Amino acid sequence: AQSVAQPEDQVNVAEGNPLTVKCTYSVSGNPYLFWYVQYPNRGLQFLLKYITGDNLVKGSYGFEAEFNKSQTSFHLKKPSALVSDSALYFCAVRLYNTDKLIFGTGTRLQVFP
Amino acid sequence: GAGVSQSPRYKVTKRGQDVALRCDPISGHVSLYWYRQALGQGPEFLTYFNYEAQQDKSGLPNDRFSAERPEGSISTLTIQRTEQRDSAMYRCASSSTGFSYEQYFGPGTRLTVT
Repeated sequence: AQSVAQPEDQVNVAEGNPLTVKCTYSVSGNPYLFWYVQYPNRGLQFLLKYITGDNLVKGSYGFEAEFNKSQTSFHLKKPSALVSDSALYFCAVRLYNTDKLIFGTGTRLQVFP
Repeated sequence: GAGVSQSPRYKVTKRGQDVALRCDPISGHVSLYWYRQALGQGPEFLTYFNYEAQQDKSGLPNDRFSAERPEGSISTLTIQRTEQRDSAMYRCASSSTGFSYEQYFGPGTRLTVT
């Protein structure tokens, strides 16, 4: 079955330090991968996507993600975290022959000053 | 331009009542999606439309749930004879058509069934 896993419920990082939010997937066929962020009382906001091409994808607010086919991972990264990055982050996958997104359970990122 | 809007933002209803949730997509977006998100979970796919045609309704939990998009723009998700287990955040998203396009989400409707 197609699935997305976010193994960490919460990630804590000090402001200015690099951050990583992990995501692994299990799908048949080529995956289209997405990261979304959810701030309190707000809708999900699109951050970045991997469709094809370079394995390192750059997105909004200085975030980037690396697609690793052999490890079936799509980890979200940022070189220097900000307190304002604190939010709930969701990884999602869309299969080549469908239009629906399958989401992970989310990872809460807490950046401490 | 304006993003995806949903109404109402909050809905409290008594068990057994019918509710209708509305989604107004981004202008020009062909595809419209409905998701349900339980507390502490990621959004779960319910159904989606291309224009007015319902393409996939495999995520609708049972026949009490239905959706329509009669003119290819605004969509309504209807839940008949609501039950407490229907309480959740219902999210709508829209996108341009095509697998590579990202979906843009609305603020959601928080449904509480008492």
